Amino acid sequence: GQNIDQPTEMTATEGAIVQINCTYQTSGFNGLFWYQQHAGEAPTFLSYNVLDGLEEKGRFSSFLSRSKGYSYLLLKELQMKDSASYLCAVRDTGGFKTIFGAGTRLFVKA
Amino acid sequence: EAGVVQSPRYKIIEKKQPVAFWCNPISGHNTLYWYLQNLGQGPELLIRYENEEAVDDSQLPKDRFSAERLKGVDSTLKIQPAELGDSAVYLCASSFAGTSGDTQYFGPGTRLTVL
Repeated sequence: GQNIDQPTEMTATEGAIVQINCTYQTSGFNGLFWYQQHAGEAPTFLSYNVLDGLEEKGRFSSFLSRSKGYSYLLLKELQMKDSASYLCAVRDTGGFKTIFGAGTRLFVKA
Repeated sequence: EAGVVQSPRYKIIEKKQPVAFWCNPISGHNTLYWYLQNLGQGPELLIRYENEEAVDDSQLPKDRFSAERLKGVDSTLKIQPAELGDSAVYLCASSFAGTSGDTQYFGPGTRLTVL
């Protein structure tokens, strides 16, 4: 079956580094996305990984290991505005459907 | 460049009433998606259009939900009649085939409350 697992909630301190993990089981794989979603707002695109390795984009980095069905999103120099839900999503090859995880709610405290 | 536009932003109706949501995708995006998102959950696909063709509507409850994208641009999602369990946020997204993994860009959503 299709399954994406990520922690429900995480708490971190302003200025720190946090890693949000995502594991997936899908019938096929054609890329993994991370989205940020503030409460009451639309998801906004953060990153896309299709090959193994680390993709860095400013304070945010995303890592993928296809053999392990594993990804993480790394947020550095945390700011209060980073408090949001982070959605991991996998694009399946069967029909090119994108499946979303339930999201990880990140709380950044002062 | 304008993003995905949705209206209305909020809708409150009584059960058994009809309701419609409208979406205008990013200009040039040929793929349009309708998702349902419950509180604390990720978006769940209802229907995906490639231009004006619905290529994946397997998760659309066709007894009460319908959608159309007549000219391959904007789209309407309708529920008739609405049930209490339909209360959720309805998100529209669009993408351009050929971009990195068909990255989807979301609209602000319509928050539906069924009383």
